Amino acid sequence: DVKVTQSSRYLVKRTGEKVFLECVQDMDHENMFWYRQDPGLGLRLIYFSYDVKMKEKGDIPEGYSVSREKKERFSLILESASTNQTSMYLCASRLTGTGELSPLHFGNGTRLTVT
Amino acid sequence: AQSVAQPEDQVNVAEGNPLTVKCTYSVSGNPYLFWYVQYPNRGLQFLLKYITGDNLVKGSYGFEAEFNKSQTSFHLKKPSALVSDSALYFCAVRDGRSGGYNKLIFGAGTRLAVHP
Repeated sequence: DVKVTQSSRYLVKRTGEKVFLECVQDMDHENMFWYRQDPGLGLRLIYFSYDVKMKEKGDIPEGYSVSREKKERFSLILESASTNQTSMYLCASRLTGTGELSPLHFGNGTRLTVT
Repeated sequence: AQSVAQPEDQVNVAEGNPLTVKCTYSVSGNPYLFWYVQYPNRGLQFLLKYITGDNLVKGSYGFEAEFNKSQTSFHLKKPSALVSDSALYFCAVRDGRSGGYNKLIFGAGTRLAVHP
């Protein structure tokens, strides 16, 4: 089974701090994604990476950046955390090149609270 | 515009009764549709997908979904609900725009509560 591991289950940070959320997948997937999940809003895409060192903005990239130096690792960075970034953050990965659209595999999420 | 609508915030059903969780979509190109389930304090798990072919798609845990092109719907169904089916369900559609990178667009989610 594919395993997508998010390094922290819960995080509490102060306003203005720089925050790193780490995600590692063990199945050599090319595509990786960061979503945030908020009640009533579903999942919104922050950034994604279709391969190593590649990144694309999603629907809500403001206040975030990403890094993908190795294929298995995709990091989400909050440059200066703000209270409106309090949310559940979900990482996902996906295999490509199978001839049809493969499903996303999700980590268990990181619940970030910014005080 | 590319979008997914899940018109019900919550669906309540008695154990043993059939359940339906509704989803409608608006997308460019051929619709590639997915259902995911989220149990408490967990990430999303893939249930099933429609890419092409038979309009009735069978997935995990006894769930199935019916693709209806004329109504642009992809409702999730199960003939007999279990208490353990209680969870948050998300419908998703592929972003079909040029340069969309096959991203998925998710609905807001529907909470399913199955009562004993």
